[in-house]
Amino acid sequence: AQKITQTQPGMFVQEKEAVTLDCTYDTSDQSYGLFWYKQPSSGEMIFLIYQGSYDEQNATEGRYSLNFQKARKSANLVISASQLGDSAMYFCAMREANTGNQFYFGTGTSLTVIP
Amino acid sequence: DVKVTQSSRYLVKRTGEKVFLECVQDMDHENMFWYRQDPGLGLRLIYFSYDVKMKEKGDIPEGYSVSREKKERFSLILESASTNQTSMYLCASRNLAGGRSYEQYFGPGTRLTVT
Repeated sequence: AQKITQTQPGMFVQEKEAVTLDCTYDTSDQSYGLFWYKQPSSGEMIFLIYQGSYDEQNATEGRYSLNFQKARKSANLVISASQLGDSAMYFCAMREANTGNQFYFGTGTSLTVIP
Repeated sequence: DVKVTQSSRYLVKRTGEKVFLECVQDMDHENMFWYRQDPGLGLRLIYFSYDVKMKEKGDIPEGYSVSREKKERFSLILESASTNQTSMYLCASRNLAGGRSYEQYFGPGTRLTVT
């Protein structure tokens, strides 16, 4: 079974609007971490935001927030006030405490911001 | 700032050649990782290393080997390159200590073409 599922291969959003990128995960561990990375066309992976499984508050980093719904095993990324520079691939990832150092990545969502 | 560098951005090799991809990080990180990235498949872990001379297979180790003789350097080796190893290869490192021990830092990637 897939550890991380991203069901949106491509998304479009109007500049200055908010957009939600979906991510669901599969784990039986109680302790795990969830991540979002951005990959612009230049290729480098940029860390955006982290949510620990025991964190009670949703993580926020500037215009990025992670909508963490533990019972539904979802960790959606919300980008507020989209900018043209937000156009990129976005990857959701998970690390389980029991598997130590291995990170599992989803297949990614390509976001295009329309002027 | 953490810096992870990879020896080449673009590489073209012939089928059957032995290929070395080098990755260097400058922040004394214990963990290092090699991923390959293919469209529609996301990032898949090939190998990771806990520390010097220590390595673990990831999800797709077949056809690859790794070497970590020094803490800062993690090499990925394709013993006999094949066309199905044409891909983007990403190296990452992670610090086990400190407040952001959950985060991986990525290199710029090497786009390998095997003809």
